[in-house]
Amino acid sequence: KAGVTQTPRYLIKTRGQQVTLSCSPISGHRSVSWYQQTPGQGLQFLFEYFSETQRNKGNFPGRFSGRQFSNSRSEMNVSTLELGDSALYLCASSLDWPSGRLLHTQYFGPGTRLTVL
Amino acid sequence: DAKTTQPPSMDCAEGRAANLPCNHSTISGNEYVYWYRQIHSQGPQYIIHGLKNNETNEMASLIITEDRKSSTLILPHATLRDTAVYYCISHQENAGNMLTFGGGTRLMVKP
Repeated sequence: KAGVTQTPRYLIKTRGQQVTLSCSPISGHRSVSWYQQTPGQGLQFLFEYFSETQRNKGNFPGRFSGRQFSNSRSEMNVSTLELGDSALYLCASSLDWPSGRLLHTQYFGPGTRLTVL
Repeated sequence: DAKTTQPPSMDCAEGRAANLPCNHSTISGNEYVYWYRQIHSQGPQYIIHGLKNNETNEMASLIITEDRKSSTLILPHATLRDTAVYYCISHQENAGNMLTFGGGTRLMVKP
């Protein structure tokens, strides 16, 4: 079974631009979560989607948004990019929701490394 | 989730056991201890978790002290492929997917 896939793997943008990242969950998984990982802040939760609805949201500004499609694929968007948005953005999929019932049911993708210049 | 503290780095000889400590002195009774690892350029990978009792699976063993204020992840026969950053986190079951990782321990397995 294929794992979680994220595209693109690497991205370079400049301040003020916007970016859209894509995540395809494991086949049959219906919940997708997004995380931001930086050396200074570690791994931080962005939001979680299930059945095309946002179920949980982390403490990030409104510039960060996401959505989930009927096939469970998810996208996240960051508008008006800032230098501090440079990070590894990770997507994780789970079979169902509340998928956090047991954390180990969550499978991570390889991430998209975003660099903002 | 309770705060966890781990040493920033450790070395281990290939073939020897790697013992990675974690302090979680403020952990509450319904919080599990989870261990993940992240190999360079990959997403985090679940290793093991436990509540009170020691746990073992095909990847590792988890030893939790009786007072639950600390735990140790044991990789019984470390290989070069175990070189990674290891994260110890505490998390309530049924609390959703909202993981937060700290700095973790960078384990270097040397030949």
